[in-house]
Amino acid sequence: DAKTTQPPSMDCAEGRAANLPCNHSTISGNEYVYWYRQIHSQGPQYIIHGLKNNETNEMASLIITEDRKSSTLILPHATLRDTAVYYCIVIYSGGSNYKLTFGKGTLLTVNP
Amino acid sequence: GAGVSQTPSNKVTEKGKYVELRCDPISGHTALYWYRQSLGQGPEFLIYFQGTGAADDSGLPNDRFFAVRPEGSVSTLKIQRTERGDSAVYLCASSLNPRTYNEQFFGPGTRLTVL
Repeated sequence: DAKTTQPPSMDCAEGRAANLPCNHSTISGNEYVYWYRQIHSQGPQYIIHGLKNNETNEMASLIITEDRKSSTLILPHATLRDTAVYYCIVIYSGGSNYKLTFGKGTLLTVNP
Repeated sequence: GAGVSQTPSNKVTEKGKYVELRCDPISGHTALYWYRQSLGQGPEFLIYFQGTGAADDSGLPNDRFFAVRPEGSVSTLKIQRTERGDSAVYLCASSLNPRTYNEQFFGPGTRLTVL
């Protein structure tokens, strides 16, 4: 699986959009980008995933660059409950690839 | 509906003791995973079950660690002769079908402290 690079920490004001970047310059054509987050003292929670098109769900939007070497997770209106560690994971989806390889992620702190 | 549950939530043991950690996956999920998370790190894969069988145990650190899932539902992670370095949060996750979709649902974890 391709390696990902994320900033160790970011701050965001409550109510503003949080934009979390991820670099995955070695991603291959059949690898997806997944985002999970982990609120303190809880297990990780799936947020969103995509292959090459931008994706949106009730939690967030995922913007993937045309060359697929980087992506941005957008929380449109961050709340205090969005304070968490956010993990960007690249994984081949299909076959028997099931291991999520977590890096250190980005600690997002939403401030009042 | 009910999510993944893990018991106990906290376990304190002494070096050299045996411990068992239990995971109850979401009903109907055939795939079950164990991860371990040390302080300040992301979770690390330990073992994956598809049904009753361990399809991949390559993440188990050594032969003191063993996991079972005898009826394809509840799983138990067993650690023999615990060491202080085993102290971590042990996370369990389950999913419907890992071959087509990688959304894994995680439990809250068991915090293991080896004194």
